[in-house]
Amino acid sequence: DAKTTQPPSMDCAEGRAANLPCNHSTISGNEYVYWYRQIHSQGPQYIIHGLKNNETNEMASLIITEDRKSSTLILPHATLRDTAVYYCIVRVAGGGSNYKLTFGKGTLLTVNP
Amino acid sequence: DAGVTQSPTHLIKTRGQQVTLRCSPKSGHDTVSWYQQALGQGPQFIFQYYEEEERQRGNFPDRFSGHQFPNYSSELNVNALLLGDSALYLCASSLYGSVSSPLHFGNGTRLTVT
Repeated sequence: DAKTTQPPSMDCAEGRAANLPCNHSTISGNEYVYWYRQIHSQGPQYIIHGLKNNETNEMASLIITEDRKSSTLILPHATLRDTAVYYCIVRVAGGGSNYKLTFGKGTLLTVNP
Repeated sequence: DAGVTQSPTHLIKTRGQQVTLRCSPKSGHDTVSWYQQALGQGPQFIFQYYEEEERQRGNFPDRFSGHQFPNYSSELNVNALLLGDSALYLCASSLYGSVSSPLHFGNGTRLTVT
């Protein structure tokens, strides 16, 4: 699976949009971009994933560049409860490989009042 | 709809002892994988079980073993505990072969080895 690079930490004001970047310059054509977050003392929570098109769900939006070498997770209106470590993960989907995720250290997002 | 449940939530063991951790997957899921998360690090893949067999394994010694039962629940066993085995152990479930299906994680078992 391709490696990813994320900033170690970011701050965001409550109510503002949080934009979390991720670089994955060695991504292959069959690799998806996944985002998870982990709130202190809990298990990782799935947020969103995408292959090449931008995606949106009730939690967030995922913007993937045209060359797929980087992506941005957008939390449109951050709240204090969004304070967590956010992980960007790239992996091949399908077959029996969907169980193995390679986590980096992620980005600690701190939402300030 | 129950998510992934793990037990116990916390455990304290002594070096050299053995421990068993338990996991029930999310309803409808048939595959269970286990992860170890040391303090300040991201989770690391231990192994995955499907159809009661270990299908893939990460870089962990044979002291780490597992089992999956016919109802898809799973156990993680660690023998001859070392201080370095102190970590949060996470169980994740998914549906085998489902393209791009995300993993669902439990809240983990916090193991402390003294």
